[in-house]
Amino acid sequence: QVQLQESGPGLVKPSETLSLTCTVSGGSISGDSYYWSWIRQSPGQGLEWIGFIYYSGSTSYNPSLKSRVTISQSTSKNQFSLKLTSVNAADTAVYYCSSRGYSSGWLDYWGQGILVTVSS
Amino acid sequence: EIVLTQSPGSLSLSPGERATLSCRASQSLRSTYLVWYQQKPGQAPRLLIYGASSRAAGIPDRFSGSASGTDFTLTISRLEPEDFAVYYCHQYGSSPFTFGQGTKLEIK
Repeated sequence: QVQLQESGPGLVKPSETLSLTCTVSGGSISGDSYYWSWIRQSPGQGLEWIGFIYYSGSTSYNPSLKSRVTISQSTSKNQFSLKLTSVNAADTAVYYCSSRGYSSGWLDYWGQGILVTVSS
Repeated sequence: EIVLTQSPGSLSLSPGERATLSCRASQSLRSTYLVWYQQKPGQAPRLLIYGASSRAAGIPDRFSGSASGTDFTLTISRLEPEDFAVYYCHQYGSSPFTFGQGTKLEIK
């Protein structure tokens, strides 16, 4: 069973870059079984899909964030990462990494989530 | 972008009662690409239903889903105490993938 764990700073200053890493165990990000995804949830709000990366390196992003988002991968470390530039208070959220099945299409395994607060 | 509108925003029921949650898509969506998640406080969402009507592994049969055109329904036949949570519908048939705003199921 795939397990995912987010890590990174819990506090980021406005206008700076948010950087998070997701460590995957029980599965290889080099395989073709999953799209490795990021989703966020603002406090008391709903869920927002950020984007994903596939083992080939291809990516897809939510147009609402596309100009500020980069998702990358490190196959040697079995990790994938999220960078969100020029953050502001509206980017304060719990950030989840998740695996989206290539065949199924849905998000099946999720990390526990990490709260990132944007504040000076 | 496909907007998913869930109703009601909140639902107050008692254990043993039946819950009916709705999710309406703003445009055509194949039921294959509609799933339901349950989320409890401090936890990640958990997959309940995929393909609009198929239960995920380990999900009790009191949970069921159905589809009619752009209207999708999650039904919980007899509420158990552990069912009180927030429920989200999610579509991945068209990018950007989107979620409904959620229905909070509360104990009456």
